[in-house]
Amino acid sequence: AQSVTQLDSQVPVFEEAPVELRCNYSSSVSVYLFWYVQYPNQGLQLLLKYLSGSTLVKGINGFEAEFNKSQTSFHLRKPSVHISDTAEYFCAAKGFSGGYNKLIFGAGTRLAVHP
Amino acid sequence: DGGITQSPKYLFRKEGQNVTLSCEQNLNHDAMYWYRQDPGQGLRLIYYSQIVNDFQKGDIAEGYSVSREKKESFPLTVTSAQKNPTAFYLCASSIRPRELEAFFGQGTRLTVV
Repeated sequence: AQSVTQLDSQVPVFEEAPVELRCNYSSSVSVYLFWYVQYPNQGLQLLLKYLSGSTLVKGINGFEAEFNKSQTSFHLRKPSVHISDTAEYFCAAKGFSGGYNKLIFGAGTRLAVHP
Repeated sequence: DGGITQSPKYLFRKEGQNVTLSCEQNLNHDAMYWYRQDPGQGLRLIYYSQIVNDFQKGDIAEGYSVSREKKESFPLTVTSAQKNPTAFYLCASSIRPRELEAFFGQGTRLTVV
């Protein structure tokens, strides 16, 4: 089955600490991978994407992610978080179903940054 | 500024009523999508449209209907057949169907009262 798994539903962290949000994908999805951020009661904003090339991808707001094919992972990292990073983060991958391409989303990880 | 506009932001519906959620984009994107978001479940695809006058069911289409009469517009109707419609609904678009970098609207929160 095509799936994306976010291993932590919530991640609490103190301001200026590093953070890693974990994402694993099933081998049946293609390796087009995305991280989105959602602030309360808002839509999703693209943080970064991996389509091909370098396995370390840099995104907006100081985030980066590393594609690891052998571990089927695409973990999101930031070396020093701010209060404003408090949000929900979604990992997604390209899948194929019913004759069309679609994004398959993980369940989300709620990042809570504390002062 | 180009973007996707969803309206209304909040919507209340009585049981047994149909309601229509609006989604308009001025990005000149071919593909448009409707997702439903429930706490702890991520986003699930309701309907998908690649071009005008064409749309396909997603994973949870039962109780929903859509139309795509104009490139810019992709309204979603939540019918009385949808047994649990209370959720956050997100509309998205991408420049081409195979281009999966999606741009999202701000969402509509539907509550059944």
